[in-house]
This record gives sequence, structure tokens and C-alpha cells, in this order.
Amino acid sequence: AQSVTQPDARVTVSEGASLQLRCKYSYSGTPYLFWYVQYPRQGLQLLLKYYSGDPVVQGVNGFEAEFSKSNSSFHLRKASVHWSDSAVYFCVLSDSGGSNAKLTFGKGTKLSVKS
Amino acid sequence: EAGVTQSPRYAVLQEGQAVSFWCDPISGHDTLYWYQQPRDQGPQLLVYFRDEAVIDNSQLPSDRFSAVRPKGTNSTLKIQSAKQGDTATYLCASSWTNNYAEQFFGPGTRLTVL
Repeated sequence: AQSVTQPDARVTVSEGASLQLRCKYSYSGTPYLFWYVQYPRQGLQLLLKYYSGDPVVQGVNGFEAEFSKSNSSFHLRKASVHWSDSAVYFCVLSDSGGSNAKLTFGKGTKLSVKS
Repeated sequence: EAGVTQSPRYAVLQEGQAVSFWCDPISGHDTLYWYQQPRDQGPQLLVYFRDEAVIDNSQLPSDRFSAVRPKGTNSTLKIQSAKQGDTATYLCASSWTNNYAEQFFGPGTRLTVL
């Protein structure tokens, strides 16, 4: 069985501060990992994805994430947050990219950016 | 390129009423997914289709829930006799042959059952 844990349900940071949202996964095989963002009353939007190769992947709007196989983690980072980054962030695991790929979501981390 | 569209955006029902949700996936995407997202939780897969065939509906909560995709394009998710526990946002997503892991989501339908 696979699972994703986001240990922080809520995170509050000041505008301009750096950000790290934590994600741990459990999966015996090679994971496909994603971060999605959900703005209020909107659907999920893909921020970035990791399939293989360089463990640091770049996404949209200055976000990046680092994959660590030894720690089973895929933490999301941003150097300087903006008030518009306030949203819910989901770490997501897929067991493959093939035809039976299924996504397992974490419970999400709600980010609030104080101005 | 148009994204995944869903309607209605909101629905409010009394217990026992029926409701249908409609989804139009991205053109060319052969796989369509329905998710249920309870408040303050991550989405949970209900059912998914490849073209018109149901691949996995084992996570549909009960026989009150049904989903169809008759022509392999649009899809309808229906709840018969809704219960308060069905209150959630229902998300539709689609993906395609080149990469089934990357799914594109619609805005969702927020259902409230009173």
C-alpha cells in the first residue's frame, strides 16, 4: 500500500519569507511525485512533478521541490512568498506513469501568507 | 486548449434527493476520473474510465453512486438519495496516453446535503 503524509495541516509565513512544506511518502517502488495547489473555489493546479533524474525540480511561480529517496521525502520550497501564494498545497504520489496509474493524495497543507 | 469543465459549480439538496454532476474532459484525453474531496481533506478516487469502459469503480461509496461515460468523452456522476455524509466537492480529472500519471483537474462541484 502507498501513502502520503503532510505533517503540517496549516502553515503561516510573512510575505517575503522563505517557505518549506513537508511531504513524506511510503511506497516500495519508484514513485512519481507531484505537488498540486488549490486556490479557493478552484480546481487543483499542477505546480511541479518529479519522475527521475535531478532530485531538485523547478515548478511554476518560483516553487521547487527536492526528492530524497533515503528520507522518502519530497519537500516543497520557495525562496520568497507572496500573498497570492495563500492556498492549499497537496503532495501527491503515483505508483506509475502507465495505464493503471493512480494518485494518492496527502491531506494538504493550508498556507496563509501575512502581509 | 480548453481545460476540464464541470457543472454545476454548486448544488444544495435535502437528504433523499438525487443529483447529477457533469464533466467534459480535455479533448483527446482518453482517461477520466471522478474524485470526492471532503472538506479539509485530499481528493479520494471514486471511479475512472478509459474511453467508455469503467476501469475501476471499487471505491464508489455505495450503490447510491453511479457514473457513466457512454461515448468516451463527457461523463456523468449521479447520486441517488443523497445523505449528509455525501457533502463534499466532487472533482473530475482527465489524462492521456503519453502520461497517465499527470492528471488535469476541473474546478469541481461543491455539494451540500442538508
